[in-house]
Order: sequence, then structure tokens, then C-alpha cells
Amino acid sequence: DAKTTQPNSMESNEEEPVHLPCNHSTISGTDYIHWYRQLPSQGPEYVIHGLTSNVNNRMASLAIAEDRKSSTLILHRATLRDAAVYYCILSGGYNKLIFGAGTRLAVHP
Amino acid sequence: DTAVSQTPKYLVTQMGNDKSIKCEQNLGHDTMYWYKQDSKKFLKIMFSYNNKELIINETVPNRFSPKSPDKAHLNLHINSLELGDSAVYFCASSHGPMNSGGRRDEQFFGPGTRLTVL
Repeated sequence: DAKTTQPNSMESNEEEPVHLPCNHSTISGTDYIHWYRQLPSQGPEYVIHGLTSNVNNRMASLAIAEDRKSSTLILHRATLRDAAVYYCILSGGYNKLIFGAGTRLAVHP
Repeated sequence: DTAVSQTPKYLVTQMGNDKSIKCEQNLGHDTMYWYKQDSKKFLKIMFSYNNKELIINETVPNRFSPKSPDKAHLNLHINSLELGDSAVYFCASSHGPMNSGGRRDEQFFGPGTRLTVL
């Protein structure tokens, strides 16, 4: 299973954009890049995922490097509710999520 | 309506006991999963079932036995509980077992069951 590397923690101010980086230099051609987040005392929650092209949804945007060895989750305007642990996960054929340590995002008012 | 529900929410028991955790999803999904989150907060996949058949078993001790009576339910039975089994157990579901690139890949997680073994 290919591994991902994320910063342990990041901070942001409310209503500012947040860019959460993820390195995955050993990604294979069939690996999808998934992002999930876990709010305190809750189960993980899907954020976004993609394969090669950048993706947008109502929660966030996913920017994928051309060589696919890194990606960035973009929260356009952070809110207090976005404070969570964000996980960048590679998943190949089977939809099997291997969670790492993730990035703990703190959002300040 | 709760999409993925688990019972009980909390479970406190003695070492050596046998216990079960139940999971139900009302999303019409074919695939269900069990994950374990230990005290260091690492989430690890344990099992995955597709249409009641086991498709992923991540070298979990055979004291853990998942059972899927139908597509909407995946229960986890644990025999001879050990201190190291203390963790939060999450159930999840998705449309199918394979990545396809669309929103069908999304896994929906339950609220978790906190198991404490004394």
C-alpha cells in the first residue's frame, strides 16, 4: 500500500483559505487520492477524491500535481466547523482506506 | 434518518468476555467495513464485506469474527476480549468494493463504538 506524508498540524484563521499538502511519491497509476476528515468524537467523513484531474465539490477543491506525486486539499474559506484531522489516503483497485496520522487543522476565530 | 448506525455506543467489559457490536446501514449499499481506531488515533481497516461475502481481511486475530446476515448489516463478534482490544470501532459502507472514480466510492462511517476492556 502506497504511503502518504502530511504535516502533523496546521493553523488557519476563520474565513481564510487553507491549503493542506500531501506527498505520495510512490503512488501507482491506479491509485485514487482520497481525502477524509474526522471531527472530534465522530467517525471520518468523506471530503473529496480524484485520480488525475483537479476536482471541486461544495466542500473543497483537490489540486493534483501533474506527476501525481503530491496533492493539495483546498478549503476556500475555513470555518470553525472545519477544525478536524484531515487524512490523505491512496486507494487502488479495492476501495480500501489505509489511514495515516493525518493533519490536525486548528481554525482560529 | 441515520445512514450508518452502530450499537452500542459504549461497551465496557471484563477481559475474557465475548461481546458483539452491531452495524446497520440504510443507504442500500453493497459493501460494508469495520475499522479500529486505537488510543494513538490510528484508524485501521479490519474487514470488508460485499454482498455478504468477505473480501478484505487485514490479518485480524481470529478472535474477531464478522457476520453479515444481509447486505444492510455487518456485525462484529469478539471472543476472549483482551486489554489491547480497547479502541473505538467504526463501521462504514459504500456502494461497491472497487474504486470507480465517482461519488459511489464514498465511504459513509458510523458514529463509532467505544470498547473498554478492563
